[in-house]
Amino acid sequence: GDSVTQTEGLVTLTEGLPVMLNCTYQTIYSNPFLFWYVQHLNESPRLLLKSFTDNKRTEHQGFHATLHKSSSSFHLQKSSAQLSDSALYYCALSGNSAGNKLTFGIGTRVLVRP
Amino acid sequence: EAAVTQSPRSKVAVTGGKVTLSCHQTNNHDYMYWYRQDTGHGLRLIHYSYVADSTEKGDIPDGYKASRPSQENFSLILELASLSQTAVYFCASSPDWGGGDTQYFGPGTRLLVL
Repeated sequence: GDSVTQTEGLVTLTEGLPVMLNCTYQTIYSNPFLFWYVQHLNESPRLLLKSFTDNKRTEHQGFHATLHKSSSSFHLQKSSAQLSDSALYYCALSGNSAGNKLTFGIGTRVLVRP
Repeated sequence: EAAVTQSPRSKVAVTGGKVTLSCHQTNNHDYMYWYRQDTGHGLRLIHYSYVADSTEKGDIPDGYKASRPSQENFSLILELASLSQTAVYFCASSPDWGGGDTQYFGPGTRLLVL
């Protein structure tokens, strides 16, 4: 079945420095949708960005990611971390349209320090 | 903004008891989902539904039942609660626009089984 592998555990950053969270996936489907969801403390997950198109950069709220089918990757990046970026980040995959089912990675917790 | 509500928001249950978690959406979405969230496992799909009176098994359905009596309502039932079912449970809904549709999450229910 589908699977998603993310940077594990806690990533601690200094405010103002760049952020990069790794995400790779496995699926038998040739046209998957990839997502990044973000969950702040005591909140529910919400969509940060998503992509379907190979080699096209997708941006939202200062974050960006590019789906690379050749390497099965969808890394999340931001040029300058803010304190408010401290949260749990999930990479997710939808391998086909039936059921819109998502397979999530285990999540990466990000802590941004002053 | 999509609206998904859950009740109760937290619950303490005894081992072997029956627990029902409820979810209500006002988005007119076809799809509804139940996930559990555990540290080290991320979000895992328990059951989902794409139409009233029909439910489908997700990735970890054992020990759980689901019911969708109407488009707006989706319940998760633990007939015999066990310690291992202590977790945070999220309900989500999504439209059916042909794949890659955003899932909108409810606020979550924190379940503690003693």
